[in-house]
Amino acid sequence: GNSVTQMEGPVTLSEEAFLTINCTYTATGYPSLFWYVQYPGEGLQLLLKATKADDKGSNKGFEATYRKETTSFHLEKGSVQVSDSAVYFCALRDQGGKLIFGQGTELSVKP
Amino acid sequence: EAQVTQNPRYLITVTGKKLTVTCSQNMNHEYMSWYRQDPGLGLRQIYYSMNVEATDKGDVPEGYKVSRKEKRNFPLILESPSPNQTSLYFCASSLESLIGNSPLHFGNGTRLTVT
Repeated sequence: GNSVTQMEGPVTLSEEAFLTINCTYTATGYPSLFWYVQYPGEGLQLLLKATKADDKGSNKGFEATYRKETTSFHLEKGSVQVSDSAVYFCALRDQGGKLIFGQGTELSVKP
Repeated sequence: EAQVTQNPRYLITVTGKKLTVTCSQNMNHEYMSWYRQDPGLGLRQIYYSMNVEATDKGDVPEGYKVSRKEKRNFPLILESPSPNQTSLYFCASSLESLIGNSPLHFGNGTRLTVT
């Protein structure tokens, strides 16, 4: 079946460090891919999305490129801030419309 | 302000005592859904609704009920809660049904503890 796998956390970085959170997926057809972010005590909110191969989603300095050949959608940011500390979820929407989430990766950024 | 509102934020109850978690959205969204979030498991869908009077099971529906009598409300009902339903619950809504790329809007969560 369709699934999403993320790198395990927690990931701890110093401020201004480069961030990569790996996400790979298994799906039939051409799913849409998403990154959601969950700040402490809040619900998830959409960070970025990509709907077809080679699309790049970007928002708030974060980027992710839909790589069909490697079935990946890794999240990157060039210089993280303390305010980026949160849990990040990779997700796919399959052809049937179902949204499937990865297990989440906690990011902690230290000053 | 456009939002999804869940209540309560925290709830501690005992096994077998019926409870309802309310969810309301003010965005005229057609699609609504309930998820539970557990460590290491991410979010798992409990039930969803494509529109009024249309509800369907998600991946983990056992022990839960929902109803969608009005477009804005989608309550989650636990008729006889058990300790394995201790979790963080999220309600979410989306403008379109599942076929589309409208993002999900989430409530702030309800942390339920069943003793």
